[in-house]
Amino acid sequence: DQQVKQNSPSLSVQEGRISILNCDYTNSMFDYFLWYKKYPAEGPTFLISISSIKDKNEDGRFTVFLNKSAKHLSLHIVPSQPGDSAVYFCAASADGNMEYGNKLVFGAGTILRVKS
Amino acid sequence: DAGVTQSPTHLIKTRGQQVTLRCSPKSGHDTVSWYQQALGQGPQFIFQYYEEEERQRGNFPDRFSGHQFPNYSSELNVNALLLGDSALYLCASTIIQNLNTEAFFGQGTRLTVV
Repeated sequence: DQQVKQNSPSLSVQEGRISILNCDYTNSMFDYFLWYKKYPAEGPTFLISISSIKDKNEDGRFTVFLNKSAKHLSLHIVPSQPGDSAVYFCAASADGNMEYGNKLVFGAGTILRVKS
Repeated sequence: DAGVTQSPTHLIKTRGQQVTLRCSPKSGHDTVSWYQQALGQGPQFIFQYYEEEERQRGNFPDRFSGHQFPNYSSELNVNALLLGDSALYLCASTIIQNLNTEAFFGQGTRLTVV
């Protein structure tokens, strides 16, 4: 039962253009969503997050959009840079639910390649 | 400020053996979670420790067990290793009372079972 899905295994984008990574979820209890970036031989690094009470959160070149009715979120990177090439994981948690707790449920990841 | 540290970074074990992985959380963090990341997949939650007790557990068999020490560091033990246990094992730390905040991950331990 995959509660968090990233349907695009990979994405290739030209330097300077926009990268859009997508994520869908099925569990209505999720109330907090995160994006992590992972380079080979390193652990995941937190990138940006959004609470379910918001529909947009922006941090520099990174913006996350949340559409609760569609159970969909997306990460926009503008402009994309070669150093952004990595695996991006979408994750969700249900912090507001004591029984479910704050464990993170991850998608399978999307490999982003930014070409110079 | 040291982040989350894990040891060892790589490990090779034989089927049927037992393994112990170690994790020191980020300074000030009191909660440790363990994740298994198989090749081509996202991290899967194994369990979480707080106040030296297992607080939550994912869908993993009893061969997977853990421990948390008074200094908040943690161990993950896997008994009777199977080939399918080969994966990257990640440790993450948080502060239990801080809701809606990110978890910090270590660099992981790459376990290979042969």
